[in-house]
This record gives sequence, structure tokens and C-alpha cells, in this order.
Amino acid sequence: GEDVEQSLFLSVREGDSSVINCTYTDSSSTYLYWYKQEPGAGLQLLTYIFSNMDMKQDQRLTVLLNKKDKHLSLRIADTQTGDSAIYFCAERLGSNTGKLIFGQGTTLQVKP
Amino acid sequence: DTGVSQDPRHKITKRGQNVTFRCDPISEHNRLYWYRQTLGQGPEFLTYFQNEAQLEKSRLLSDRFSAERPKGSFSTLEIQRTEQGDSAMYLCASSLGSHANPEAFFGQGTRLTVV
Repeated sequence: GEDVEQSLFLSVREGDSSVINCTYTDSSSTYLYWYKQEPGAGLQLLTYIFSNMDMKQDQRLTVLLNKKDKHLSLRIADTQTGDSAIYFCAERLGSNTGKLIFGQGTTLQVKP
Repeated sequence: DTGVSQDPRHKITKRGQNVTFRCDPISEHNRLYWYRQTLGQGPEFLTYFQNEAQLEKSRLLSDRFSAERPKGSFSTLEIQRTEQGDSAMYLCASSLGSHANPEAFFGQGTRLTVV
């Protein structure tokens, strides 16, 4: 089936690293994505990873993918107060449509 | 082109009225998606267009909902006889639909409140 799970809340201190975790169930996923949503706004694409990759780094963001365990994580280095938001992971299924299945989101709170 | 544009940003309507939302995708994107997001949840897929063809509809999309993309550019989502349960954020996304460019970009959404 199609299911994406995330922990609901994470609190960190400014300057620390944040790690947001996600698990998915569909082994046919082709791409996995991380989006950021600030209050009342749409979704901002942060990064994505192809399913045959283990890791992708983009500035302060590091994505790790364990395809065997169907586990995805997003690490934010040197977390800033501006990083406070809801983070969604999403999987793109192997079908041709490109539709995304989202988790319920992780609220990241960054304390000064 | 500044990204995916949705109009209006907010809509308050009385139960039973019809509403229509518009989405303008990124200009060269041939794929367009509608999602619905309720409070505290992730977006849920509603429907998808490849150019002007509507190729997939979720079972969430009841017969009161209809979407069109008549010329393969902008799209409209209409909800007839709105119900309080339709209150949500309606998000539009677009993509090139190729494996070389798998990014899907979202608009700011239309927040619907049915009173």
C-alpha cells in the first residue's frame, strides 16, 4: 500500500543539527522529496533524491536514503530560527503519473 | 515566470454555493496536479492532467468536484454545492514530468472556508 509516516514534532536549539525522519511503504518509489511549509503558505521544494542514491547533499541539507529499510531522513546543519516550519516528506510512485504521496508533516521548532 | 500561481488565495462561501479556483502552472510544465490539505495533515492527491487530458482522479474527488485544463495551460477546480467538509487548502502543482526533471512545484494554495 501507499503510506508515508513521519514523527510529528521536533525541537532543537539554534545552531544545532536537526534530523527529520520518514518511512514509506511502497517499494516502487522512484523519487523521494522534502518540502517545507510555513504557516498559511504553500509548499516549498527543498530537495529530492532518486531512489537508487544513498545520499544527497545540498548546502546545509543532507538527505539519507536507506532503501532496504524504506527510511528517509533530512539533516539540517546549523539550524536557524528561520528553519522553523512544517517539513513534509513525499514519495513519487513508480507509476507514470508523477503523483506524490505525502506524510503528515513534522513540525520543527527552533529555539534561540 | 515566477512559479505556480493560484487565485484566489482565500475564499469564504456559504454552504451550498459553488466555487471555482484557478491555477496557472509554470509555463513550460505539461503536468498539473491538484491536492487538498486539511489542518494538521499532508496534502492528498485529487487529480492530474497531462497537457489538457485529465488522466487520473482520486476517489476523494466526489461528483461535486470537477477540474478542467482546456488548453493545456491554466486549470480550474470547481466545487458544486459546497459542504463544510470541503473546507481545506487546495494546492496546485506543476512539473515537466520527465525523469531528468522530477521536481514538482507548488503554488501558494487557495484556502476555502465553508460557513
